[in-house]
Amino acid sequence: GDSVTQMEGPVTLSEEAFLTINCTYTATGYPSLFWYVQYPGEGLQLLLKATKADDKGSNKGFEATYRKETTSFHLEKGSVQVSDSAVYFCALSERQAGTALIFGKGTTLSVSS
Amino acid sequence: DTGVSQNPRHKITKRGQNVTFRCDPISEHNRLYWYRQTLGQGPEFLTYFQNEAQLEKSRLLSDRFSAERPKGSFSTLEIQRTEQGDSAMYLCASRGDYYGYTFGSGTRLTVV
Repeated sequence: GDSVTQMEGPVTLSEEAFLTINCTYTATGYPSLFWYVQYPGEGLQLLLKATKADDKGSNKGFEATYRKETTSFHLEKGSVQVSDSAVYFCALSERQAGTALIFGKGTTLSVSS
Repeated sequence: DTGVSQNPRHKITKRGQNVTFRCDPISEHNRLYWYRQTLGQGPEFLTYFQNEAQLEKSRLLSDRFSAERPKGSFSTLEIQRTEQGDSAMYLCASRGDYYGYTFGSGTRLTVV
């Protein structure tokens, strides 16, 4: 079945450092790919998404490119802030209507000043 | 549009008791999903409704779990005879027609 694999955390960075969180996926079709962020005590918020190969999703300085050849959707940010500290989830959804999201296990990011 | 609302935010119950959670989706979203998230894990799919019809159930949804969505509006998730292993965050999400999943803040269940 479909699955998502994320790099294990925690990832600990200093403010203004470069961030990469790796995500690879296995899917039978052509899924849409997502990054969600979860702040402490809160629900999931959509960070960015890409719906087809070579699409780049971006939001709040974060970017991820849908790479079909490597089945990857790595999350990057050029300069992290303390406020970026959260858990980040990579997820996929097959294109059929109603298909549920399949999530990775999440990567905890901790940014210190 | 006030987003997806879940109640209660926290629930502590004794083992063996029944609990019920409520989810109010975004009003124009016809699809509603329930997920369970345990510590250190990503959310796991439990069940899915399109309008009032429950179209898919995960194998994670044991016989003790039941979900309803009467009239295609709010949804309830009931757990009967709770066990300690049911302790988790229960998340609800609704979705419109263009891949727009919106999650609620979740209900954290603690079974003691």
